[in-house]
Amino acid sequence: QQQVKQSPQSLIVQKGGISIINCAYENTAFDYFPWYQQFPGKGPALLIAIRPDVSEKKEGRFTISFNKSAKQFSLHIMDSQPGDSATYFCAVRSGSARQLTFGSGTQLTVLP
Amino acid sequence: NAGVTQTPKFRILKIGQSMTLQCAQDMNHNYMYWYRQDPGMGLKLIYYSVGAGITDKGEVPNGYNVSRSTTEDFPLRLELAAPSQTSVYFCASSHERWQGGTDTQYFGPGTRLTVL
Repeated sequence: QQQVKQSPQSLIVQKGGISIINCAYENTAFDYFPWYQQFPGKGPALLIAIRPDVSEKKEGRFTISFNKSAKQFSLHIMDSQPGDSATYFCAVRSGSARQLTFGSGTQLTVLP
Repeated sequence: NAGVTQTPKFRILKIGQSMTLQCAQDMNHNYMYWYRQDPGMGLKLIYYSVGAGITDKGEVPNGYNVSRSTTEDFPLRLELAAPSQTSVYFCASSHERWQGGTDTQYFGPGTRLTVL
């Protein structure tokens, strides 16, 4: 049972363009929606996160848009840079230990 | 702070062998987690712990065991290794209380395990 569906699997964007990655979830009990960024050979690192009582959160070039009724959230990277090339994972949180369930990941390549 | 450290970085096992993946954190985090990452599959939770002496199963616990005797350490034991356990294993930790309104899991660099 896949609780989080992430798309696209891979994305190629020109430098300066906008990168958009989408996630859809099934369980309304999730209470926190982070995005993690992973560079090759490294562990994931928290990029940005949103709570379900907010529809949008922006940090620098990164924005999360959250649609509670549609059970979807997305990551927008404005003015994409080659240094943004990485794998991005959405996640949803639940449980007393704040366990995360991750999407399958999106490999982003930003061309110079 | 070293953060979350994992050893070894790489390991090749033969089918049926056993090994322990080590994980340690120096941030005094109560919550610790083990994930495995398979290509194109994201990260899946194997086991987690909310404090010393307390562990629980995640989504994919079969073939693994954990222990948590101290706050700092959370080793993952593989018994009777199988090719299906070939993966990259990540350990993570988080503070019991949210820090600055953000709930962050801090990940180690991973252990790449191959079972032949």
